[in-house]
Amino acid sequence: QLQLQESGPGLVKPSETLSLTCTVSGGSISSSSYYWGWIRQPPGKGLEWIGSIYYSGSTYYNPSLKSRVTISVDTSKNQFSLKLSSVTAADTAVYYCARLGIAIGLGVDVWGKGTTVTVSS
Amino acid sequence: DIQLTQSPSFLSASVGDRVTITCRASQGISSYLAWYQQKPGKAPKLLIYAASTLQSGVPSRFSGSGSGTEFTLTISSLQPEDFATYYCQQLNSYPLFTFGPGTKVDIK
Repeated sequence: QLQLQESGPGLVKPSETLSLTCTVSGGSISSSSYYWGWIRQPPGKGLEWIGSIYYSGSTYYNPSLKSRVTISVDTSKNQFSLKLSSVTAADTAVYYCARLGIAIGLGVDVWGKGTTVTVSS
Repeated sequence: DIQLTQSPSFLSASVGDRVTITCRASQGISSYLAWYQQKPGKAPKLLIYAASTLQSGVPSRFSGSGSGTEFTLTISSLQPEDFATYYCQQLNSYPLFTFGPGTKVDIK
């Protein structure tokens, strides 16, 4: 069964870059049937999609975060990563990595457990 | 950008109740809508995709309907494990998408 695991620092200073990695196990990130994505949830608030990537490297970003977001994929390690630059307290959230079916309308069928990132000096 | 609204934002119900949550899109999205359940401290779980298709393993008391701009999630007989927050998600501009603000279902 496919599993996703987020990893990275739990504390990031304001103005610095948040970096997280998602490791895919039990399946291949190079599958042509899926996108891979990042979604976040600030404390007590709703879900916000950050961006998605295909194994080929094609990326799709939330327009509201696009100027600060980079998502990349490393097929040799079966991982994909998130970088969010110039963070502020508003970027404090639980960050989830996720798998999305390639066909439109399928949604997010596999989620990581989530990792909490706090932005504070 | 396509915006989603959900109503109600909060509802209080009893075990055995029939519960309906509505999600409205700011423009037509065909049937490109999914529903998720989230319990405190846990990742969301996909319940329904393509507006009305039940995800594998999800109990049949959950159902979805709608197309265009109005969608509903129905729980036919609320169970204790169903108390959670429910989110809709539009997938019309896939793989770009947005979530609704959520509906919290609490115990009466």
